[in-house]
Amino acid sequence: GAVVSQHPSWVICKSGTSVKIECRSLDFQATTMFWYRQFPKQSLMLMATSNEGSKATYEQGVEKDKFLINHASLTLSTLTVTSAHPEDSSFYICSARRASGSTDTQYFGPGTRLTVL
Amino acid sequence: QQQVKQSPQSLIVQKGGISIINCAYENTAFDYFPWYQQFPGKGPALLIAIRPDVSEKKEGRFTISFNKSAKQFSLHIMDSQPGDSATYFCAASGYNTDKLIFGTGTRLQVFP
Repeated sequence: GAVVSQHPSWVICKSGTSVKIECRSLDFQATTMFWYRQFPKQSLMLMATSNEGSKATYEQGVEKDKFLINHASLTLSTLTVTSAHPEDSSFYICSARRASGSTDTQYFGPGTRLTVL
Repeated sequence: QQQVKQSPQSLIVQKGGISIINCAYENTAFDYFPWYQQFPGKGPALLIAIRPDVSEKKEGRFTISFNKSAKQFSLHIMDSQPGDSATYFCAASGYNTDKLIFGTGTRLQVFP
């Protein structure tokens, strides 16, 4: 159990376009989902925390108008990169935390590789 | 205070050897310490986690040692295999935060 999926696994887009990434918890309900960004050979950098039905909490330095997060249900959160630019190219990873049981553990998705041309 | 310091940055071990990765933290409010394994191009996968009420936890070839007074914890991989070659991240979280604070990562290479 505790499987998290992401779609798409990779995406290439032109500069100025918007890209939506989906994160789903497949076999559990997640009250909280997290979005991370990871550059090559670096650690995970938390971008934002989203709770179902409420606004996301963004980390310092992350533009909320550029990285739109929607947590519409207990199994789905989306990250939209608006007006993407080459510097937004990165590996985006989501994680989900169970609504009950062992609520400390974060289960990670497989990641989405975004390349902006 | 929110940092988790991880060392070494990279580690080369021969097959069958023991791999040891260390982490240290400052925030005494941390009470959950997981280790994640990440292969290139994949998301991190939870390996093993520990709470401060125990000093050691073992799952198969993976052991976490925890020293509360020193505010340090380490991952030991016994009988290391080439398939263990990956990047390992320690992390910490506490009752006053739902965020995971990650270490900088250790790239492990196990040679046959």
